Amino acid sequence: EIVLTQSPATLSLSPGKRATLSCRASQSVSIYLAWYQQKPGQAPRLLIYDASNRATGIPARFSGSGSGTDFTLTLSSLEPEDFAVYYCQQRSNWPWTFGQGTKVEIK
Amino acid sequence: EVQLVEAGGGSVQPGGSLRLSCAASGFIFSSYWMYWVRQAPGKGLVWVSRINNDGSSTSYADSVKGRFTMSRDNAKNTLYLQMNSLRAEDTAVYYCARDRSYYYDSGSPEYWGQGTLVTVSS
Repeated sequence: EIVLTQSPATLSLSPGKRATLSCRASQSVSIYLAWYQQKPGQAPRLLIYDASNRATGIPARFSGSGSGTDFTLTLSSLEPEDFAVYYCQQRSNWPWTFGQGTKVEIK
Repeated sequence: EVQLVEAGGGSVQPGGSLRLSCAASGFIFSSYWMYWVRQAPGKGLVWVSRINNDGSSTSYADSVKGRFTMSRDNAKNTLYLQMNSLRAEDTAVYYCARDRSYYYDSGSPEYWGQGTLVTVSS
């Protein structure tokens, strides 16, 4: 099973700042990595698929990059609604797996 | 509008069974791979199972293999998860989700239900 390790566990930032979230895979997943946002009491929301493609309706301030084992989700300028938990997920090998999440909180 | 509505959650004793359902609407159900993902209280997301568009192929996480069965009824636009021999560690919110791609297992669900809570406790 592929293990995804996200860092940092918590990111404390002010609105308007840039957020950079990292996801590292225990083996190569090529570009088959997605990012999700989850707010308390809500289902996850797909943000990015295949490393760098924004899902339908996702604002341009969300961007993804990386391949192989190292991936990054960047939020260029944090909006109040962006404070949430973010998960990476690989779909290279079944069982697909999620990272443990990064919480982006208001500083 | 795509809608996925889960039902069937509740409290059950260890060793018991539950059947979850997920009613789909707003899209051609028979054209999409579907998934179940769970989340234990305060914990992260975990894949449970997947099924192809016609129901002929399923895959399961090792933790549920042999105990859970995923199926679908395309005539009723409904997805199911039969859960047997339930354990305390199966306690979670169970989400059904639809793939983002038509007829293809992209592994990136774009639509999710609101989830249904399963509690396994004596």
